[in-house]
Amino acid sequence: AQTVTQSQPEMSVQEAETVTLSCTYDTSESDYYLFWYKQPPSRQMILVIRQEAYKQQNATENRFSVNFQKAAKSFSLKISDSQLGDAAMYFCAYSKGGKLIFGQGTELSVKP
Amino acid sequence: GAGVSQSPRYKVAKRGQDVALRCDPISGHVSLFWYQQALGQGPEFLTYFQNEAQLDKSGLPSDRFFAERPEGSVSTLKIQRTQQEDSAVYLCASSPVIAFFQQETQYFGPGTRLLVL
Repeated sequence: AQTVTQSQPEMSVQEAETVTLSCTYDTSESDYYLFWYKQPPSRQMILVIRQEAYKQQNATENRFSVNFQKAAKSFSLKISDSQLGDAAMYFCAYSKGGKLIFGQGTELSVKP
Repeated sequence: GAGVSQSPRYKVAKRGQDVALRCDPISGHVSLFWYQQALGQGPEFLTYFQNEAQLDKSGLPSDRFFAERPEGSVSTLKIQRTQQEDSAVYLCASSPVIAFFQQETQYFGPGTRLLVL
């Protein structure tokens, strides 16, 4: 069975600094998708970034980028120039065939 | 266009009561998912619909949980004889494609927070 592990329950970053959130996963599949979702206190889950496993190039979306290491089954999220609005729970998720398998989440706080 | 909506946003039930949670997906979205999120945890998959067909219900925790999507749009998650361990946030998500063959972003609703006393 596929599993997703986020080893950092909490992280903190200074405004304007860079922070990296870690995620590892376990799967025997070769083709799958990985996601980072953000869940602010309002609880609406919002997609931050996605990565297709067959693509070697790391995905980027403005201030958000990933470091995808397929052999190591690692998928970390880097947030550059952190903003107060980035404070939220961040979930890493794996998908093969539709349903999402989530990690436990990392709560990110941003200090002004 | 409107996003995924869920109602009610909050529900308090006495143990043993039946509850019904509603999800309105984005118009035209083929795939619909239900997830359960316990406090401090990541969401866990409950069930998946492709149009009106329930193709995967492997995540439903017991036969007290039942979901339907009779016309391929609105979906209802029903929990019979609620127990305290059912207390959680129930999230609905929809996607514009057939999830088994393609992977597209799932758009989430705000969730229904269920508290069973």
